[in-house]
Amino acid sequence: EVQLVQSGAEVKKPGESLKISCKASGYRFTSYWIGWVRQMPGEGLESMGIIYPGDSDTRYSPSFQGQVTISVDKSISTAYLQWSSLKASDTAIYYCARLDSGSTSWSYYWGQGTVVTVSS
Amino acid sequence: EIVLTQSPGTLSLSPGERATLSCRASQSVSSNYLAWYQQKPGQAPRLLIYGGSTRATGIPDRFSGSGSGTNFTLTISRLEPEDFAVYYCQQYIRSPDTFGQGTKLEIK
Repeated sequence: EVQLVQSGAEVKKPGESLKISCKASGYRFTSYWIGWVRQMPGEGLESMGIIYPGDSDTRYSPSFQGQVTISVDKSISTAYLQWSSLKASDTAIYYCARLDSGSTSWSYYWGQGTVVTVSS
Repeated sequence: EIVLTQSPGTLSLSPGERATLSCRASQSVSSNYLAWYQQKPGQAPRLLIYGGSTRATGIPDRFSGSGSGTNFTLTISRLEPEDFAVYYCQQYIRSPDTFGQGTKLEIK
């Protein structure tokens, strides 16, 4: 059974760093792209970027380039999303999702979401 | 970047009625690289349709997708109580993939 299990909710202050995770199981982790999606409070879905665990090829959506870093650790089938200096506007739910057919694809499998709250 | 515009923003219907949701793209989404998702409060999105018209595994046949080029439609033939949620379209023909702003389907 394919599963994506994300790390728990985080409460941080502006300027702090953060790394959240998405642990995959039930399939060959290195064979499918993983994407990260942001959902700000009461808003819609925004694609942030994708990574191919097989070779760590990473592509960012223009709005998120330079704002976050996406990475993987193949040895533990885990993808990461990190910030070096959080802003209040980073408050959102972050989902990871497996891309089912290449680097441009729909996603059937999603993580449960990680709530990130940034407040002074 | 391809912009997707969904309409209406909110749709108020009763169980048993037919729902028609629209998704219009700013550029052609050829080969129907379009998906539809359902999202309920506190839950991750759920894939309904991909390839414009292919139902995902486990999706009831009351959900159907159609359209081509720049105009796509999600139809729910007969609404069940569990269908009231927010629906998003997504294009994945060009990176970055993008989502529409969503249509909220509410009980009338």
